[in-house]
Amino acid sequence: DIQMTQSPSTLSASVGDRVTITCRASQSVSSWLAWFQQKPGKAPKLLIYKASSLESGVPSRFSGSGSGTEFTLTISSLQPDDFATYYCQQYNTYFPYTFGQGTKLEIK
Amino acid sequence: QVQLVQSGAEVRKPGSSVKVSCKASGGTFSTYAINWVRQAPGQGLEWMGGIIPISGTAIYAQKFKGRVTMTTDESTTTASMELSSLTSEDTAVYSCARAMRELAYSDALDIWGQGTMVTVSS
Repeated sequence: DIQMTQSPSTLSASVGDRVTITCRASQSVSSWLAWFQQKPGKAPKLLIYKASSLESGVPSRFSGSGSGTEFTLTISSLQPDDFATYYCQQYNTYFPYTFGQGTKLEIK
Repeated sequence: QVQLVQSGAEVRKPGSSVKVSCKASGGTFSTYAINWVRQAPGQGLEWMGGIIPISGTAIYAQKFKGRVTMTTDESTTTASMELSSLTSEDTAVYSCARAMRELAYSDALDIWGQGTMVTVSS
């Protein structure tokens, strides 16, 4: 199985900060990488698909980049609603889908 | 607007089975894969498998093969996931999620159900 490793596991930041979360795959997943935001008690929400495509309705302060084995999610200017846990997920043709362990974004 | 609405919380004893349903409304059902993902309390996300209703063929994660069965009913636009031989380690929130593109097992998951809590306890 392809292992996905996110860093950091926890990130403390302030409103207005620019933050970056990294996701590394144990082998190439091309651009088949998605990013999700999850709040307590809620289902994950798709933010980015195919590594850099912004899902409809998601604010433009979210962006994704990378290919192969290294990917980043960037939030250009943190808003109060952005404090949540973020997961990356690879959906390469070869199953199974696997998720990163999550990055909890906390208010500093 | 496509919506996935899941059945309610369940409590089961070890060794028993549970079946969770996921009803789709507001869009095409038959040609989009429905995947199942679970999340144990305080833990991350784990993909269990997926099924495309029009094909009826399910793909399961190796970990769950032999213990999970995914089905769909096109007449009621409902997908179901049954997990057997439950242990306390199966206590989790189980969610259905739809793939973005038609006829693609492997794709980003853009629409999610609200999740169903399954508790396994003696």
